[in-house]
Amino acid sequence: AQTVTQSQPEMSVQEAETVTLSCTYDTSESNYYLFWYKQPPSRQMILVIRQEAYKQQNATENRFSVNFQKAAKSFSLKISDSQLGDTAMYFCAISNFGNEKLTFGTGTRLTIIP
Amino acid sequence: DTAVSQTPKYLVTQMGNDKSIKCEQNLGHDTMYWYKQDSKKFLKIMFSYNNKELIINETVPNRFSPKSPDKAHLNLHINSLELGDSAVYFCASSRRGQGYEQYFGPGTRLTVT
Repeated sequence: AQTVTQSQPEMSVQEAETVTLSCTYDTSESNYYLFWYKQPPSRQMILVIRQEAYKQQNATENRFSVNFQKAAKSFSLKISDSQLGDTAMYFCAISNFGNEKLTFGTGTRLTIIP
Repeated sequence: DTAVSQTPKYLVTQMGNDKSIKCEQNLGHDTMYWYKQDSKKFLKIMFSYNNKELIINETVPNRFSPKSPDKAHLNLHINSLELGDSAVYFCASSRRGQGYEQYFGPGTRLTVT
């Protein structure tokens, strides 16, 4: 079984600053995928970024990047130049090879302050 | 065009009733899922279907029964509703295989009174 831990229930940051959201996970598999999903107040779940465990290079998507430390089982999300629209719940999730379900962490509520 | 749609978006009903939530995707995906998000925002998989075949069935009460009439639809029927069933239910779809993005519907907020 896999687990995902997000130790920061809430965070807030000034607009235009950089913020890092933490995520650690546990899995016995060697092949897996990691995801960050965003859930704004509209409730819609939106994929922010994904990382294949077999790739050492950290994934980036515009202002969003990850710091993937496989040995430490850590997968943090960095948001640069934060914008008001980044205000949302952020969920870290894992999907093991051979099992397509997503196992989510408990989420981090991020507030961007104008 | 909406990629994954759910109906209804809101559902208020009394304990003991039976209700259904419908989900449709127009992305051509062959795998569909149901997730439950509780009041603390925790998301957990309930079911997964691939080509109308049930492939994931987490520990969910028998009162919950998914039905997939075709690859584009996955409905969730709930019998004898209980207060604890109050939650937001999300449908999602993806291509078959590991690591593909799951596209989520807008969610159905179910309130049992």
